[in-house]
Amino acid sequence: GAVVSQHPSWVICKSGTSVKIECRSLDFQATTMFWYRQFPKQSLMLMATSNEGSKATYEQGVEKDKFLINHASLTLSTLTVTSAHPEDSSFYICSARDPTSKETQYFGPGTRLLVL
Amino acid sequence: KQEVTQIPAALSVPEGENLVLNCSFTDSAIYNLQWFRQDPGKGLTSLLLIQSSQREQTSGRLNASLDKSSGRSTLYIAASQPGDSATYLCAVRLTGTASKLTFGTGTRLQVTL
Repeated sequence: GAVVSQHPSWVICKSGTSVKIECRSLDFQATTMFWYRQFPKQSLMLMATSNEGSKATYEQGVEKDKFLINHASLTLSTLTVTSAHPEDSSFYICSARDPTSKETQYFGPGTRLLVL
Repeated sequence: KQEVTQIPAALSVPEGENLVLNCSFTDSAIYNLQWFRQDPGKGLTSLLLIQSSQREQTSGRLNASLDKSSGRSTLYIAASQPGDSATYLCAVRLTGTASKLTFGTGTRLQVTL
């Protein structure tokens, strides 16, 4: 199946700093990518839908100024957590939709963020 | 708003046992339903995808069924093995939602020797 990578796999940062997470589709072009957040022992919650060349669509309750999403190319979407706080500590997972198979989303391995 | 619930939340079975995981959803206007496996601290691995017009899908020791009218899906695992230990998530995609998935609460499975 298709491969989606995330970088970094884990990051520790100080409160108040910004952290950028990259999501790449390695063997297909993804016009749409999705960003999820998962707290310990909870399920995945969709944060936003990232569309190549246009603004992201955020889910209710997700602050677009805090979680900046950029989808500048068909193989790369980035999520920047601005002015991170300890409550932003979570597991962030991206997925990419393969346009040749509309139903199929391929998930990245996730990025664990710890804000001290 | 679509809500997806999985029962049980956790399950421990001895190796070799057959087991069933349950998933229920409140809005039956789904496009498809997917079962995933997640190992601790890892991403998701897709196991089975059932289209709304289908009633079941099989892959090896896994069989997933879908009853759209009652808002239920089950994942049957035959002859469980310790390597099956993981969290199992179901996710539904509603029609007309551009691939947006709503995930269930998950079932943590432990298969013991």
